[in-house]
Amino acid sequence: DQQVKQNSPSLSVQEGRISILNCDYTNSMFDYFLWYKKYPAEGPTFLISISSIKDKNEDGRFTVFLNKSAKHLSLHIVPSQPGDSAVYFCAARGDSGAGSYQLTFGKGTKLSVIP
Amino acid sequence: KAGVTQTPRYLIKTRGQQVTLSCSPISGHRSVSWYQQTPGQGLQFLFEYFSETQRNKGNFPGRFSGRQFSNSRSEMNVSTLELGDSALYLCASSLDARQNTIYFGEGSWLTVV
Repeated sequence: DQQVKQNSPSLSVQEGRISILNCDYTNSMFDYFLWYKKYPAEGPTFLISISSIKDKNEDGRFTVFLNKSAKHLSLHIVPSQPGDSAVYFCAARGDSGAGSYQLTFGKGTKLSVIP
Repeated sequence: KAGVTQTPRYLIKTRGQQVTLSCSPISGHRSVSWYQQTPGQGLQFLFEYFSETQRNKGNFPGRFSGRQFSNSRSEMNVSTLELGDSALYLCASSLDARQNTIYFGEGSWLTVV
């Protein structure tokens, strides 16, 4: 079963507008959430993260929102730029026991920013 | 500061062969984890090592194995390769076992023919 879901495989946005990427999770024990961006033929790069004790974290054009009651997080990119075109993965951290943690990733959303 | 380094970047193997992939983490990072990426499947967790000990393992068959050395470098091995093992294998390192942020290498592209 998929514990982290990104239900939109793709998203197209006009340059300058807002991009909103969504992610849902099922495990209420996840305590930390991250977003990664991936270009073709490269490894994912870390974008932004949020702890479960917060509901918002902002870094420049990127803002992540967490709604724990809905088990939903979203990444907002404002304004969107053509260079933001990539696949975006959300990830959730869970405690595997004995002080060990594991990240679970969604399947990704491909963002295309149209000039 | 050098990032996560993976070798080889590209390789082609034949069904039934085995393959070993190598990963050098960011200097000072002690946790190394491995992921498999296939089209439409996202990043699937293989295993995680910390201080030479495997702490977590994903849902992969026993043909997939790994190890970590005292200098935190890690290797993963896939034996008896199958066509479905063709994928991008990503290594990531983290400062410690808390996995607050993991940093990925560029990956090793494996094609099984």
